[in-house]
Amino acid sequence: NAGVMQNPRHLVRRRGQEARLRCSPMKGHSHVYWYRQLPEEGLKFMVYLQKENIIDESGMPKERFSAEFPKEGPSILRIQQVVRGDSAAYFCASSPWGGPEAFFGQGTRLTVV
Amino acid sequence: QQQVKQSPQSLIVQKGGISIINCAYENTAFDYFPWYQQFPGKGPALLIAIRPDVSEKKEGRFTISFNKSAKQFSLHIMDSQPGDSATYFCAASKETSGSRLTFGEGTQLTVNP
Repeated sequence: NAGVMQNPRHLVRRRGQEARLRCSPMKGHSHVYWYRQLPEEGLKFMVYLQKENIIDESGMPKERFSAEFPKEGPSILRIQQVVRGDSAAYFCASSPWGGPEAFFGQGTRLTVV
Repeated sequence: QQQVKQSPQSLIVQKGGISIINCAYENTAFDYFPWYQQFPGKGPALLIAIRPDVSEKKEGRFTISFNKSAKQFSLHIMDSQPGDSATYFCAASKETSGSRLTFGEGTQLTVNP
């Protein structure tokens, strides 16, 4: 049973480009969470999604960031017009029934140059 | 109201010693308190978790102590080993919010051989 799969593991983008981060939850998990970890800091909640629904996006920046979890396929975190301050590790977590116990992927490390 | 404060920021312990990491929270609605272990380049992995109906939970060498009145909880690692060297994060959530976790800032633990 594969764990939470994130790709790419590393992503380099120039300022102004778009970044797309993908997350495939564990088999049987229909709840997905995205977190951001800035260097030397803890993880900050961004968004909570179920299939085709955004449940809680209170941690998402108001502009340039969006997330989706379609009926088929992985969850996508999209960052438009990236800036240097977006450089961070982005982690996806999944849970089977929306309970508190979540399993994290290995993250995507985004570097904006 | 949503913060979780963690200390110390870094900790160095000799092999065989006890590692103690402390966390304090403000939001009395929190009712789930996990600890995560993170190795460099990896995602956080759930280590142990406690709910406020008990004051202590032990799993192997890892123990959580919980003080509801003081709104504090701590992780004790007994007989610390070099392989325990990692960053440890405490977190808190409301079970009704799924895995929307509020993380502490992290503690970098180094266990010297």
